[in-house]
Amino acid sequence: QKEVEQNSGPLSVPEGAIASLNCTYSDRGSQSFFWYRQYSGKSPELIMFIYSNGDKEDGRFTAQLNKASQYVSLLIRDSQPSDSATYLCAVKGSSASKIIFGSGTRLSIRP
Amino acid sequence: NAGVMQNPRHLVRRRGQEARLRCSPMKGHSHVYWYRQLPEEGLKFMVYLQKENIIDESGMPKERFSAEFPKEGPSILRIQQVVRGDSAAYFCASSPDAGNSQETQYFGPGTRLLVL
Repeated sequence: QKEVEQNSGPLSVPEGAIASLNCTYSDRGSQSFFWYRQYSGKSPELIMFIYSNGDKEDGRFTAQLNKASQYVSLLIRDSQPSDSATYLCAVKGSSASKIIFGSGTRLSIRP
Repeated sequence: NAGVMQNPRHLVRRRGQEARLRCSPMKGHSHVYWYRQLPEEGLKFMVYLQKENIIDESGMPKERFSAEFPKEGPSILRIQQVVRGDSAAYFCASSPDAGNSQETQYFGPGTRLLVL
């Protein structure tokens, strides 16, 4: 089992709709969770981080964390073509100093 | 406030040569992380360093790869006797010094290494 799992996609969403990206992790003691966006040929860009169960909202983005289910998600409201990118879920484990990345979900917003 | 800087942005080496990748963290950051990304794949952790110390090198190949972060100057990722399989994008990230924000990593633009 991978430490951080994401559906590779591509996930196709019509412009203006809500895009929902999901991630599961294996280390039950994980404490910190991150979402990064990566455009093709570019470096990852931090979108959000979340530490506590529940929702965290920032503009059009909402991160959701459920530690009991070992599940973290990212919702993008009012999707724009510029949101088309690969979204990387990242998790900091309970004992390790490193952050483990999922392989990413490719999101495509169709006009 | 300059972000994380990496150079060179592109590096071409022939098999058997050495590759040196440099990373200067953001101002005020003393934690540096190196990742490798193969085409169409996710980021693979390689090594985590603080000034003059290697904290976690569990992702580093046992041979040919080394990393340092001296007291003065940038962090260096060194690959000796490169092989074609080393061709990838190498990203450096840095994080601040204290508190929960210490865990938030900010990425540099990456170095694209091509081994011929």
